[in-house]
Amino acid sequence: GESVGLHLPTLSVQEGDNSIINCAYSNSASDYFIWYKQESGKGPQFIIDIRSNMDKRQGQRVTVLLNKTVKHLSLQIAATQPGDSAVYFCAENDDYKLSFGAGTTVTVRA
Amino acid sequence: DTAVSQTPKYLVTQMGNDKSIKCEQNLGHDTMYWYKQDSKKFLKIMFSYNNKELIINETVPNRFSPKSPDKAHLNLHINSLELGDSAVYFCASSQGTTGEAFFGQGTRLTVV
Repeated sequence: GESVGLHLPTLSVQEGDNSIINCAYSNSASDYFIWYKQESGKGPQFIIDIRSNMDKRQGQRVTVLLNKTVKHLSLQIAATQPGDSAVYFCAENDDYKLSFGAGTTVTVRA
Repeated sequence: DTAVSQTPKYLVTQMGNDKSIKCEQNLGHDTMYWYKQDSKKFLKIMFSYNNKELIINETVPNRFSPKSPDKAHLNLHINSLELGDSAVYFCASSQGTTGEAFFGQGTRLTVV
């Protein structure tokens, strides 16, 4: 079946460096994508979203890139901080449900 | 003033028991969900309700029965609990199908 997935299960990054988390999706009909952050013991928290009519969207310290040609999504975090340590999920909105990929665990080294 | 609240946060119970998890949202959203997160952190949709009507039942065993008394509440009742039901269950809500979903803190269910 079609699914959303991430390239790497873990990412270790030095504090202050930029982080890039990748995601591949297979449903070419998807028109809305979301990145979520999940800290230990908490529910997923919205970070940023993007619709299929865009290829880039920026937030505070985060940028999401969408490449529909290769069905690839990425989340860039600028100047990574210790508070960015969490599991990150990409998700595609597919009428009345979000389909999540397997998360990437980001660990920030001091 | 939590947006999406679930109770209880932790639930430990024996196999064969019946238990319920409650969820309430104060965001005025019309769509609510139940997700299950397994030990590998994989999140999977279980149910989706829009305006109290069941929209999605993602091949969940009929031991799981959601109930939406009104748009602000979506409760999950589980009969005859099994070991494999142990997981973290998240309630979420959104406005329609195109907006971001807000998640509760989760209910960690442990079946022994």
